Amino acid sequence: DVKVTQSSRYLVKRTGEKVFLECVQDMDHENMFWYRQDPGLGLRLIYFSYDVKMKEKGDIPEGYSVSREKKERFSLILESASTNQTSMYLCASSPLSSDYGYTFGSGTRLTVV
Amino acid sequence: GQSLEQPSEVTAVEGAIVQINCTYQTSGFYGLSWYQQHDGGAPTFLSYNALDGLEETGRFSSFLSRSDSYGYLLLQELQMKDSASYFCAVLMDSSYKLIFGSGTRLLVRP
Repeated sequence: DVKVTQSSRYLVKRTGEKVFLECVQDMDHENMFWYRQDPGLGLRLIYFSYDVKMKEKGDIPEGYSVSREKKERFSLILESASTNQTSMYLCASSPLSSDYGYTFGSGTRLTVV
Repeated sequence: GQSLEQPSEVTAVEGAIVQINCTYQTSGFYGLSWYQQHDGGAPTFLSYNALDGLEETGRFSSFLSRSDSYGYLLLQELQMKDSASYFCAVLMDSSYKLIFGSGTRLLVRP
């Protein structure tokens, strides 16, 4: 069964901490994405990557950075966590063909206190 | 800016048919996707329409009208397990990034 695995289901971090969210896919997909999901706002794109070492900003990249050193791994970094970054973070991957859609991970619920 | 509009909540009875509409205004458009998300779960891919018309997959169908910037998801023979949130999403361009609507919460009652 194909999978996108996010390293943590729940995280609690303090304001100002540097936070790493890890995502690994085993489908050899080229594209990987980070979204955050907040009630009433749907899913908002933070960053995406279409190849190793390549990254593109999404709609809300401020306060975040990403790293893709290997094809299967895409990391989201909160440089200095703030309370307004408390959210559900979803990682997804997709092949080059859009017909097959995204495969999402189960999400990481991050609370910044 | 980009906008996708869909109803926030829909309620229907088990065994019935329900239609969830989505209208979009985006600077680019390659196609319209639909995703299902149960509470506490990950979104799962349901369908993708690049061309006008109706696509059927089992009990679920998805429709697109590019000229009207409009699509819908049709769920037939509703089951209790269909209670979930449903998101429409626009594929903006060849970068494969999706822009999501805010979701429609479907409640199926006995």
